[in-house]
Amino acid sequence: DAGVTQSPTHLIKTRGQQVTLRCSPKSGHDTVSWYQQALGQGPQFIFQYYEEEERQRGNFPDRFSGHQFPNYSSELNVNALLLGDSALYLCASSPGTGNYGYTFGSGTRLTVV
Amino acid sequence: GESVGLHLPTLSVQEGDNSIINCAYSNSASDYFIWYKQESGKGPQFIIDIRSNMDKRQGQRVTVLLNKTVKHLSLQIAATQPGDSAVYFCAGYGGATNKLIFGTGTLLAVQP
Repeated sequence: DAGVTQSPTHLIKTRGQQVTLRCSPKSGHDTVSWYQQALGQGPQFIFQYYEEEERQRGNFPDRFSGHQFPNYSSELNVNALLLGDSALYLCASSPGTGNYGYTFGSGTRLTVV
Repeated sequence: GESVGLHLPTLSVQEGDNSIINCAYSNSASDYFIWYKQESGKGPQFIIDIRSNMDKRQGQRVTVLLNKTVKHLSLQIAATQPGDSAVYFCAGYGGATNKLIFGTGTLLAVQP
């Protein structure tokens, strides 16, 4: 049974560009949450998707947007990249909108130069 | 605002010793807490959880203690092994938010 899979694993982008990160949830999970983890810090909640809608959002600008597809997979989009967007982006899936049964992926390491 | 933070950023222990990692939280409404282990290049891995109606929960070699009076929880690892070396995070959930709030993390270094 595959866990949460994220792609790509590593990515280098130039300041001002746009990036799309992808996440496939664990089998049986219908909710996807995205987190940003700066080096040496704990993960920070970006937003959560359930039934193809954004249900909760953290303190991130509108440059961060997302989408959830009918098969529960999700994308995270970041526009107008800043150097400060360099981080590990984690996807977590769960059965329902509660955080019980959270499973994290290994993340996408984004470097903005 | 809400926060879940750790007292010690780095903890170095000898193999075989017991480890204790501490965490403080500020949101009195938090009703569920989780400890995660994160190894280099990997996502957080669930270790153990505890609900606010409990003050202790034990797993395999790990114990979580919750003191709601002082808003403090701890993770105890018995007979620490080299494979336990990682960053450990506590996270809190509940209250008005439907999201996990993570602390900064503690790096546990196990010396052979």
